[in-house]
Amino acid sequence: SQTIHQWPATLVQPVGSPLSLECTVEGTSNPNLYWYRQAAGRGLQLLFYSVGIGQISSEVPQNLSASRPQDRQFILSSKKLLLSDSGFYLCAWSETAVRGYTFGSGTRLTVV
Amino acid sequence: GQQLNQSPQSMFIQEGEDVSMNCTSSSIFNTWLWYKQDPGEGPVLLIALYKAGELTSNGRLTAQFGITRKDSFLNISASIPSDVGIYFCAGLRNTGGFKTIFGAGTRLFVKA
Repeated sequence: SQTIHQWPATLVQPVGSPLSLECTVEGTSNPNLYWYRQAAGRGLQLLFYSVGIGQISSEVPQNLSASRPQDRQFILSSKKLLLSDSGFYLCAWSETAVRGYTFGSGTRLTVV
Repeated sequence: GQQLNQSPQSMFIQEGEDVSMNCTSSSIFNTWLWYKQDPGEGPVLLIALYKAGELTSNGRLTAQFGITRKDSFLNISASIPSDVGIYFCAGLRNTGGFKTIFGAGTRLFVKA
């Protein structure tokens, strides 16, 4: 069966520090991968999605970037965090969008 | 751009009550999905709807794909405390590739 792993679960980082969040999927090949952000009490904002290795589409301009160095690995990065980057970051995968997403357990990022 | 209006924003109900929530849009969608997010976790897919007028159940949950294809409804019967969480609708439309649009969520509180 397919599983998705996301880490770390919680992160507190100072303003201006770098960020790296990692997400891996097991049990499937060539998944569609997604990074979402959820601000406190708010909905889901799509940040990036990828349909294959090295293929990244950005939905919202910001100081975050994403990379897909391997088929089942998706990384969210920042060179310098802002206070406004705080939130709950969710990785998700899908075989095909109409069948819905499987989300990871999320990373709660607090920028101080 | 495409938007989904999900209502109500939040609900406070007594255990045992039935719950209704909906999503509406000015755009037509090909697929409707309903997710539930437990506190501190990623959303989990509850029900997928693929045909106008379709009515699908998952235990105490029932969802319907509106006949106009511009709305969807989720009902929860005989609510229990573990129904607490945020319920998201998501609409998909084929525009040369399926794009998922999420509603802002309905936050459900159940009092025992």
